[in-house]
Amino acid sequence: AQKITQTQPGMFVQEKEAVTLDCTYDTSDPSYGLFWYKQPSSGEMIFLIYQGSYDQQNATEGRYSLNFQKARKSANLVISASQLGDSAMYFCAMREASGSARQLTFGSGTQLTVLP
Amino acid sequence: DTGVSQDPRHKITKRGQNVTFRCDPISEHNRLYWYRQTLGQGPEFLTYFQNEAQLEKSRLLSDRFSAERPKGSFSTLEIQRTEQGDSAMYLCASSRRQGITGELFFGEGSRLTVL
Repeated sequence: AQKITQTQPGMFVQEKEAVTLDCTYDTSDPSYGLFWYKQPSSGEMIFLIYQGSYDQQNATEGRYSLNFQKARKSANLVISASQLGDSAMYFCAMREASGSARQLTFGSGTQLTVLP
Repeated sequence: DTGVSQDPRHKITKRGQNVTFRCDPISEHNRLYWYRQTLGQGPEFLTYFQNEAQLEKSRLLSDRFSAERPKGSFSTLEIQRTEQGDSAMYLCASSRRQGITGELFFGEGSRLTVL
């Protein structure tokens, strides 16, 4: 079963508008972290925002916020006031407390295109 | 620049040849990860080092793949007898913090094309 599901292969948004990128996850571990990364065409994965499973409040980092709904197992990324430079692939990822490597497990990504 | 660096950035090789990629993590990071990313997909975990010890390997890491981190600093990923299915971006990441909160810092990747 997929641990991270991103159902939107591609999204378009007008410059200066807000956009929500969907992410649902599957885990039986009560302790986990959720991450969003941005991958521009250059290839580097850029960390955006983190949400812990025990965090009471939704995470925010500048124009990025995470709409965390634990019961629904969703962790949607909201980008406010989109800019042309936000055009990139966006990946949701999860890290579970169990397991020695504690590696990130990624979804398949959403390609965001910001239109002028 | 003190980020994660990978070399080479691009490698084109013929099927059957061996290739080696190098990763230099951020200097104070003791945890190092290798991921593979194919077109249109998210990165998939390959292997993990804590200092020089390779603590976990994915089933994706066939016996043609070997990774080392001899002195707990840089790491190499070697693919022997390359196949066309090995064509992918190989990403290296490093981390300092233990536990679930520490984000991984990624390099720009090494893109492999096997002809």
